[in-house]
Amino acid sequence: DAGVIQSPRHEVTEMGQEVTLRCKPISGHDYLFWYRQTMMRGLELLIYFNNNVPIDDSGMPEDRFSAKMPNASFSTLKIQPSEPRDSAVYFCASSFGTRNTGELFFGEGSRLTVL
Amino acid sequence: GNSVTQMEGPVTLSEEAFLTINCTYTATGYPSLFWYVQYPGEGLQLLLKATKADDKGSNKGFEATYRKETTSFHLEKGSVQVSDSAVYFCALRNTNAGKSTFGDGTTLTVKP
Repeated sequence: DAGVIQSPRHEVTEMGQEVTLRCKPISGHDYLFWYRQTMMRGLELLIYFNNNVPIDDSGMPEDRFSAKMPNASFSTLKIQPSEPRDSAVYFCASSFGTRNTGELFFGEGSRLTVL
Repeated sequence: GNSVTQMEGPVTLSEEAFLTINCTYTATGYPSLFWYVQYPGEGLQLLLKATKADDKGSNKGFEATYRKETTSFHLEKGSVQVSDSAVYFCALRNTNAGKSTFGDGTTLTVKP
């Protein structure tokens, strides 16, 4: 299995530009999570989906952030417009539901720098 | 609600030293417990897990025992190596729950 695949691995953009991060979860997993990691705030859960349906988006910082999961094999996290404080590493993770042991499988992350 | 409290870091050890990273939790029901490790420039990956009380998870020389009476899941390794330098996260996930609860992470540096 290829694992969770994220793209791009690195993104440098200017303030005000739109950023789209992409994630392909592991086939068969029914949960998908978007996290953000910074030195100051640590690891934060932004939103998660179950069977492609958003369940909890309370971690999304503001309306500039949006996430979609149009099918079981693809999700996007969009920031529009981007700001320097959005600079972080964004991780996507997927898992089976807790009918199994429920561990998360993380992608390698997308490092975003907003100038 | 659920919470996970980890030993604050950073932790610096010499090679072959004994490692303990403390983790305690608060949760309803009977969660599964996890240790994840994050090497520099990478995503988190599962190190070990335990799904019920008194279970011991182990991997790569690391061990942790699910202690319901003390609500703890401390990570231990008898002899650390330089390659163990990483950030370690304790986490829990309830049965029939969606999201996991993570601790703040503990940075371990092992010096030769």
